[in-house]
Amino acid sequence: NAGVTQTPKFQVLKTGQSMTLQCAQDMNHNSMYWYRQDPGMGLRLIYYSASEGTTDKGEVPNGYNVSRLNKREFSLRLESAAPSQTSVYFCASSELGLWGNQPQHFGDGTRLSIL
Amino acid sequence: KQEVTQIPAALSVPEGENLVLNCSFTDSAIYNLQWFRQDPGKGLTSLLLIQSSQREQTSGRLNASLDKSSGRSTLYIAASQPGDSATYLCAVKDGTASKLTFGTGTRLQVTL
Repeated sequence: NAGVTQTPKFQVLKTGQSMTLQCAQDMNHNSMYWYRQDPGMGLRLIYYSASEGTTDKGEVPNGYNVSRLNKREFSLRLESAAPSQTSVYFCASSELGLWGNQPQHFGDGTRLSIL
Repeated sequence: KQEVTQIPAALSVPEGENLVLNCSFTDSAIYNLQWFRQDPGKGLTSLLLIQSSQREQTSGRLNASLDKSSGRSTLYIAASQPGDSATYLCAVKDGTASKLTFGTGTRLQVTL
């Protein structure tokens, strides 16, 4: 099983450029999440989608937008990239939303550098 | 605001040792606590999830305990192996279930 697939795996952008990070899961999960991981800090939630058709802000949503395209896919867009957005981005999914006691399943991450 | 701390940040042990990783959190009103493993360049893999009403969970050589009143959880790894080398993260889901708060992890190296 592929689980959670993220594309691309690596990307270098210039300040001000835009791009979309793609995420797809094949586990028929209802909820999907976007996190960023920075050195010396724990993972921080950017946005999440409790179910198809809904999205909500997490802890650090500024500078990002998301789209829950369908049950399988949840994309993260940087409209005007800034060096502070250099990070490793992880997508995750879970069977139920935040009220569930099911674990989250993670993709392998997208390593994004903004010059 | 929930804060999650993992000490030590790094740990090196010889193969075969039993070891304990620590996780502490500041707000005891949690929904659940999860332990994850992260290999270099990879995403997180869920190891154990302890619901707020539980005291411990076991999976193979792994045992996780939870003491909400003291704001602590431990991950016990028995008979460590080189393949256990990874970073171990704990994450707490707060009582309102609005978010997971992650610790910064303990990087474990098991040497031959």
